[in-house]
Amino acid sequence: QQQVKQSPQSLIVQKGGISIINCAYENTAFDYFPWYQQFPGKGPALLIAIRPDVSEKKEGRFTISFNKSAKQFSLHIMDSQPGDSATYFCAASKDNQGGKLIFGQGTELSVKP
Amino acid sequence: GAVVSQHPSRVICKSGTSVKIECRSLDFQATTMFWYRQFPKQSLMLMATSNEGSKATYEQGVEKDKFLINHASLTLSTLTVTSAHPEDSSFYICSASWGGTEAFFGQGTRLTVV
Repeated sequence: QQQVKQSPQSLIVQKGGISIINCAYENTAFDYFPWYQQFPGKGPALLIAIRPDVSEKKEGRFTISFNKSAKQFSLHIMDSQPGDSATYFCAASKDNQGGKLIFGQGTELSVKP
Repeated sequence: GAVVSQHPSRVICKSGTSVKIECRSLDFQATTMFWYRQFPKQSLMLMATSNEGSKATYEQGVEKDKFLINHASLTLSTLTVTSAHPEDSSFYICSASWGGTEAFFGQGTRLTVV
C-alpha cells in the first residue's frame, strides 16, 4: 500500500485555538482526500474531503488546505472546542477504487478548557 | 442517509472458536464493502475488499482462510474470524460504498478472544 504520512501524532490545543494536522502522500494517482474523526470505541466519521482541483475547502470550523505540487494537505480546526477532542485520520484514495482508503497514522487531539 | 450498521458491537469468544461479524448498508446498495482492522492507538489497516457476488480480495499478509468474507447481497457483508486466538483480538470496522469515491463506516466491533 502506498503510504500516507500524518503528523503530529498527538496535539494539545487550548479551547478557542486553531488545531492543525498535516498529511503527505506519495502516489500522484490519489484524487480524493478525506478527513475522518474517530471517538474511542466508534467507527470513523467523515468530516470533510477535497479533490486535487481545488486548493482549499471550508465547512464550518473545518478547513482543508491542499498543495498538489508538494503532495501535502492539512486540516485546520478553527475555534477548537473540548468536544473536538478525538483522533483524526487523513486518508487518500483513487477515484476508480470506489471507497478503498489508505489511512494516515492518526492524530490524537486534546482540546483543553 | 448512507447508514452502515455493524453487529455485534462487542463480542467475547473462547480461543479456538469462530465468530461472525455483520455489516449492513441500511439505506443504499453497497456494491463494495471493505473490512479494516484497528489495534489500540493505531490506524485502520485494510484487510480485504469485497464485491457483491464475487470473492473477496485480501491485502498482503491477511490470511484468507482465517478471515472469511462473504458479500452475498448488496446490503450485507460478513466477516468470520475462524479458530480465533488472543492475537486476533482487535477492533474490526467495515465500510460500504455504492461505487463512488466516498465510503461510509460502521460503528465497529470490539473482538476479545479469551
